[in-house]
Amino acid sequence: NAGVMQNPRHLVRRRGQEARLRCSPMKGHSHVYWYRQLPEEGLKFMVYLQKENIIDESGMPKERFSAEFPKEGPSILRIQQVVRGDSAAYFCASSPTYRDVNTGELFFGEGSRLTVL
Amino acid sequence: GEDVEQSLFLSVREGDSSVINCTYTDSSSTYLYWYKQEPGAGLQLLTYIFSNMDMKQDQRLTVLLNKKDKHLSLRIADTQTGDSAIYFCAESVSGYSTLTFGKGTMLLVSP
Repeated sequence: NAGVMQNPRHLVRRRGQEARLRCSPMKGHSHVYWYRQLPEEGLKFMVYLQKENIIDESGMPKERFSAEFPKEGPSILRIQQVVRGDSAAYFCASSPTYRDVNTGELFFGEGSRLTVL
Repeated sequence: GEDVEQSLFLSVREGDSSVINCTYTDSSSTYLYWYKQEPGAGLQLLTYIFSNMDMKQDQRLTVLLNKKDKHLSLRIADTQTGDSAIYFCAESVSGYSTLTFGKGTMLLVSP
């Protein structure tokens, strides 16, 4: 059973370009979470999605950032007009349709590392 | 608001015990987690504890929870060089809510 798959693993963009990060959750998982890890910082929650729905986007910057999780295909985190401050590792996590009430565990991908030149 | 604080760095010798500490502010935290992140990799759940527990032991790992002080610790017995990684403390209000992470503690184990 494949884990959470993220691609690309590394992405380099120039200021003003767009970045698209993709996340395929574990098989059987329909909940996806995006976290951002800035250099020497912890993980900061960005957005929580279920299929075709945004459940909580309280951690997402109001401008330039958007996320979706369509009925078919991976979840996508989109950053428009990137700036140097967007350079970070972006982690996707998934959980089963009903979170395991014994652990509440999230399963993480290996992350996508965005560098903005 | 929610906040999770950890010491940033710990260095130990192989074979010694490591203790990584964490404090949190949300008194309604119900689930507390320790995740491990190796270089260039994602986060992997090490262990978790419920707020109605004081201690949990899992092989070389011992988690202690002082709910009154909102203090959580992770003890790794007989630390090995392969334990070198960043360890994140995280809390969740419920099994269905998002996790709030600390900044992580970098553990360096020297031979």
